[in-house]
Amino acid sequence: EAGVAQSPRYKIIEKRQSVAFWCNPISGHATLYWYQQILGQGPKLLIQFQNNGVVDDSQLPKDRFSAERLKGVDSTLKIQPAKLEDSAVYLCASSLRVKTSGSSSGELFFGEGSRLTVL
Amino acid sequence: KNQVEQSPQSLIILEGKNCTLQCNYTVSPFSNLRWYKQDTGRGPVSLTIMTFSENTKSNGRYTATLDADTKQSSLHITASQLSDSASYICVVSAGYGQNFVFGPGTRLSALP
Repeated sequence: EAGVAQSPRYKIIEKRQSVAFWCNPISGHATLYWYQQILGQGPKLLIQFQNNGVVDDSQLPKDRFSAERLKGVDSTLKIQPAKLEDSAVYLCASSLRVKTSGSSSGELFFGEGSRLTVL
Repeated sequence: KNQVEQSPQSLIILEGKNCTLQCNYTVSPFSNLRWYKQDTGRGPVSLTIMTFSENTKSNGRYTATLDADTKQSSLHITASQLSDSASYICVVSAGYGQNFVFGPGTRLSALP
């Protein structure tokens, strides 16, 4: 089974430029997440999709970040204009809810991430 | 506020030795707890997943414990190897399992 695919793996841009990251989740996974991981910290949720609808985007800086999942499969995260503090790894993850011992527990699968450096 | 804390922040261990990483959480309602291993420059990979009723779960040299009463979990690594050098992230799932709360991770360095 193919894993979560992300591209590009690395991107270097200057501040105020724009960048876009792409993610293709595991086939059949309805839920897709974008996380921002700053060096030395745990991932921070930016946005969560269920199929093509947004479930949670409360921590997405909407003045500069946008994301879409138009057909409920792959997704794009865009930053425009980029700031120095946006330098981080952008992780995409997907999950498929699985029933375990009477409760619902969705296993979370991550891609390799896209490392962004803003100069 | 849902929160996950981990200790220590970083750890150095000699190859062949054992170590234990800690995770404390205040997440409600609790669904399950996972430990992830994240190699440098890679995405996190799941090591174990534990539900409310499970106390211990092993995956090779990794053994996770869960005390739902004290809201604590530990990850014990036996006979460490150089390849164990990575960040270990504790993740607690809230509600119906689709809301994940991440800890900051513990950075483990295994030295020869």
